[in-house]
Amino acid sequence: KAGVTQTPRYLIKTRGQQVTLSCSPISGHRSVSWYQQTPGQGLQFLFEYFSETQRNKGNFPGRFSGRQFSNSRSEMNVSTLELGDSALYLCASSLGLGEDTQYFGPGTRLTVL
Amino acid sequence: EDQVTQSPEALRLQEGESSSLNCSYTVSGLRGLFWYRQDPGKGPEFLFTLYSAGEEKEKERLKATLTKKESFLHITAPKPEDSATYLCAVPPGGGSYIPTFGRGTSLIVHP
Repeated sequence: KAGVTQTPRYLIKTRGQQVTLSCSPISGHRSVSWYQQTPGQGLQFLFEYFSETQRNKGNFPGRFSGRQFSNSRSEMNVSTLELGDSALYLCASSLGLGEDTQYFGPGTRLTVL
Repeated sequence: EDQVTQSPEALRLQEGESSSLNCSYTVSGLRGLFWYRQDPGKGPEFLFTLYSAGEEKEKERLKATLTKKESFLHITAPKPEDSATYLCAVPPGGGSYIPTFGRGTSLIVHP
């Protein structure tokens, strides 16, 4: 069974631009969560989607948004990029909400110049 | 609010030198605990889920154990390829709707 895939793997953007990241979950998984990982802050939860609805949201500004499609694939968007948005963005999928084990993708490395 | 603390932050071992990593947590009711391994620049790789105190799980040189207040990841006779950051996490619950991750233990095994 194929794992979680994320595209692109690497991105370089400049301040003020916007970016869209994509995540395809493991087949049959309906929940997709997004995380930001930086050396200083560790793994920070962004949001979780289930059945095309955002179920939970972390403490991030409104510049960070996402959506989920009917096939469970998910995208996250960051508008008006700031230098501090440089990070590894991770997508994780699970069968359902709550206590299910999450399986992570390889991540998208975003660098903001 | 759930809290997860991992220690030590960093650990250097010689090949074959067994040791343990600690994950202590404060949660309103134990709902399980996850262990992940993360290589630099890659996503965390799932290792174990432990659901109840006293439970143990093994995979190759790794054994995870769980008590009511902490979990240990025991590494027996480690090899250089075991070098990675090991993360533990508790699932959402008890008023929290998001999982809580520890900051991780960075393990380096020297040949």
